[in-house]
Parts: sequence; structure tokens; C-alpha cells
Amino acid sequence: AQSVTQPDIHITVSEGASLELRCNYSYGATPYLFWYVQSPGQGLQLLLKYFSGDTLVQGIKGFEAEFKRSQSSFNLRKPSVHWSDAAEYFCAVGEDYKLSFGAGTTVTVRA
Amino acid sequence: KAGVTQTPRYLIKTRGQQVTLSCSPISGHRSVSWYQQTPGQGLQFLFEYFSETQRNKGNFPGRFSGRQFSNSRSEMNVSTLELGDSALYLCASSLGDESFGGETQYFGPGTRLLVL
Repeated sequence: AQSVTQPDIHITVSEGASLELRCNYSYGATPYLFWYVQSPGQGLQLLLKYFSGDTLVQGIKGFEAEFKRSQSSFNLRKPSVHWSDAAEYFCAVGEDYKLSFGAGTTVTVRA
Repeated sequence: KAGVTQTPRYLIKTRGQQVTLSCSPISGHRSVSWYQQTPGQGLQFLFEYFSETQRNKGNFPGRFSGRQFSNSRSEMNVSTLELGDSALYLCASSLGDESFGGETQYFGPGTRLLVL
């Protein structure tokens, strides 16, 4: 079965600074990869997804992610963080009609 | 287009009771999935339904069950509630046309269940 690992439980970043969230996957073939964001008390919102093709994927809210097969990674990045980006971020892999999620990374944005 | 709706949003039950949660998918979506989110276990897959058929089931006891109706609406039921069932239960819908894993799932706001 496929799985994803998010090594960072919590990240604090200053407003206006860049952000990178790590995600490593375990799968033999090209995986279906997703990044979701969850604000407190809310459901999950899709930021972006990767299936195949261009390894640099653009998403909503200024986020992008790069698929690196050699490193089994799908890291999420944002060049300049806004206070509204404070949330929990989940990396997920799709297989057999389900998503398997990482443990999540909580992002705190300081002024 | 309206998003995924879940009812109720909040629920308080006592141990031993049963509960039914409801999910209405985005119009035109025929696949509905359910997930449990807890601080300790994170997001865990419960089951997925497409055209009233369960296509996959997660590793949960038989107390957790679900069904899907002909209009794609779905319900999940938890019988004989335990304290550990306290969680946010998320429903997600997708078109269901493709062999999954590549479909995007759209999530509802969740039902927060507290078991006392």
C-alpha cells in the first residue's frame, strides 16, 4: 500500500517569508499526489494535485509543488506567506478509491 | 454549484448509543467517501461508495457502516458508541468516473461527534 510521510509536525514562519512543507511518498509507480489545507474547524480544501507530466504543479492561493521521483518527494512551497496561510496542511496519495494522508504539518505565521 | 454538505455539524452522544451522519455530495458526483479525523490517529479512511456499491473499506470495526442512496446521498452509522469514536467525520465526493486514485475529492465541513 502507498503511504506518505510529512516529517515536520509544526513550522513557524514570518509573514512575507517563504514556506516549504515536506512530503515523502512510498510507491513503486508514479503516484497520484495531493496537497490539502485545513483551517481550524473546517473541512479540507484542495491546493493542488499531481498525476503525471510537468513535475512543477501550480495550485491555488499562490502555492506550488514539485514532484521529484529520485527523492520520492512532493514538497509544497509558497514564496511569500500571508497571515491567512496559518492552517494545517496535509499531503495525500490516492489509490484504490481512497486517499491516504500524512500526519499533517501545522503552519503558524508570525507578524 | 453547491459544495458537499454534511448534517448535523455537531453531535453529542453517550456511550452505547448509535449515531447516523448524513452527506450530500456535489451535484453530479456519484462517489462518496468517509474519513475519520482524530488528534491521535489523524485522517483515516472509512469507506467509499459509488452507485450504491461499496468499493473500498478501511480498517474499522463492524460498528461502522455506511450506505449510499440512488441520488448519491450517503449516510454512515456508528453503533454502540465508544469514547474513542469522538472525532471529526469528513465526507468527500468525486465524480467517480475514473479508476481511482486520481480523482479529486471535495470535502465537506465535517460532523464533529463527541461521545460522553
